[in-house]
Amino acid sequence: EAGVVQSPRYKIIEKKQPVAFWCNPISGHNTLYWYRQNLGQGPELLIRYENEEAVDDSQLPKDRFSAERLKGVDSTLKIQPAELGDSAVYLCASRISGANVLTFGAGSRLTVL
Amino acid sequence: GEDVEQSLFLSVREGDSSVINCTYTDSSSTYLYWYKQEPGAGLQLLTYIFSNMDMKQDQRLTVLLNKKDKHLSLRIADTQTGDSAIYFCAESRMDAGNMLTFGGGTRLMVKP
Repeated sequence: EAGVVQSPRYKIIEKKQPVAFWCNPISGHNTLYWYRQNLGQGPELLIRYENEEAVDDSQLPKDRFSAERLKGVDSTLKIQPAELGDSAVYLCASRISGANVLTFGAGSRLTVL
Repeated sequence: GEDVEQSLFLSVREGDSSVINCTYTDSSSTYLYWYKQEPGAGLQLLTYIFSNMDMKQDQRLTVLLNKKDKHLSLRIADTQTGDSAIYFCAESRMDAGNMLTFGGGTRLMVKP
């Protein structure tokens, strides 16, 4: 089993540029999460998907962040335009509906200059 | 809202036991988790406990839950240098889609 796959692992951009992150969850995992982890802090939820439906996006800064999971499998998280404060690790996680364990990907580390 | 608190740092000598503590505020928590994060890596699930249990042991790991005081601890027996990492406590509620709320993490340093 490949686990949760994220790309890119690292991204360095200048402020005001766009950036996108991709996540491929574990096969069969209906629920997908995007978390943001700032330096020295614990992860914080950005958005949760049940299949292709975003069921909790209350913490997603909608002015510049967007996410999609069109076919209920892969997901992308986009930031446009990026700001200095967006520098963080963006973590994707998935689980089978009803299970109590989330599996995390290795994360995408974003640096905004 | 929910809040999960951890101390920032713990240093122990190799071979000693480590105890990492966590407090949480949500009395509706269903599960409580311990994750390990090594530098540049994602989060690795170590163990979890259902909220109606008070103890769980898994090899060198012992989790203690005091639901009355909303206190969770992780004891690592015979701590090794490879245990050096950041440890995150997290709680979830089934009625919130098992969304995890994390503490800020405790950095464990194991000295040889």
